[in-house]
Amino acid sequence: GQQVMQIPQYQHVQEGEDFTTYCNSSTTLSNIQWYKQRPGGHPVFLIQLVKSGEVKKQKRLTFQFGEAKKNSSLHITATQTTDVGTYFCAGKGAGGTSYGKLTFGQGTILTVHP
Amino acid sequence: DVKVTQSSRYLVKRTGEKVFLECVQDMDHENMFWYRQDPGLGLRLIYFSYDVKMKEKGDIPEGYSVSREKKERFSLILESASTNQTSMYLCASTTVWTGTLAGNAQETQYFGPGTRLLVL
Repeated sequence: GQQVMQIPQYQHVQEGEDFTTYCNSSTTLSNIQWYKQRPGGHPVFLIQLVKSGEVKKQKRLTFQFGEAKKNSSLHITATQTTDVGTYFCAGKGAGGTSYGKLTFGQGTILTVHP
Repeated sequence: DVKVTQSSRYLVKRTGEKVFLECVQDMDHENMFWYRQDPGLGLRLIYFSYDVKMKEKGDIPEGYSVSREKKERFSLILESASTNQTSMYLCASTTVWTGTLAGNAQETQYFGPGTRLLVL
């Protein structure tokens, strides 16, 4: 079955440093989504990427979808303490009927030291 | 705003007990999902449902069953709880998009607050 690998598992940064997390899928994706889970909270949708090579920005967050639609990255510029949490990528398989089913990566836990 | 609620935030059960976790969504979504979340393993799909009384196994269905008698409610059942089922359980819902535009449609999954289950 489809697998989505996400690295790194943990990232500790000083406030103001940049942060990047990477996702790789074993199969071509129809789209990829990113979610953020604050400590003690539940995953909350951030963004969806659909097109090959797509780049989207949300303030200090930059999301990329690879040309082959098998990998993706999330980059945060100048991290702040409010960025703390676990970031998940989630891929939807290409083709067929998936009923909105996603395969989640393992998540990257980001801690930011003030 | 979409609201997904789960019956309990915390549960403590004994090995062998039958456990019911309930999830309710108020957005008339067709699809509902049950995940478990464990450190280092991310979110793993247990079961999902794409319509009333319809269900599909996810990646780790063993030891679990589900029920969807009404569109807004999706229940996860642990027939005989075991200690390795101690985990955070998350319910999610999403609407369904079909056809050629399906890949471009927004398919956000909306999560409930989670139930932290401890099996002793």
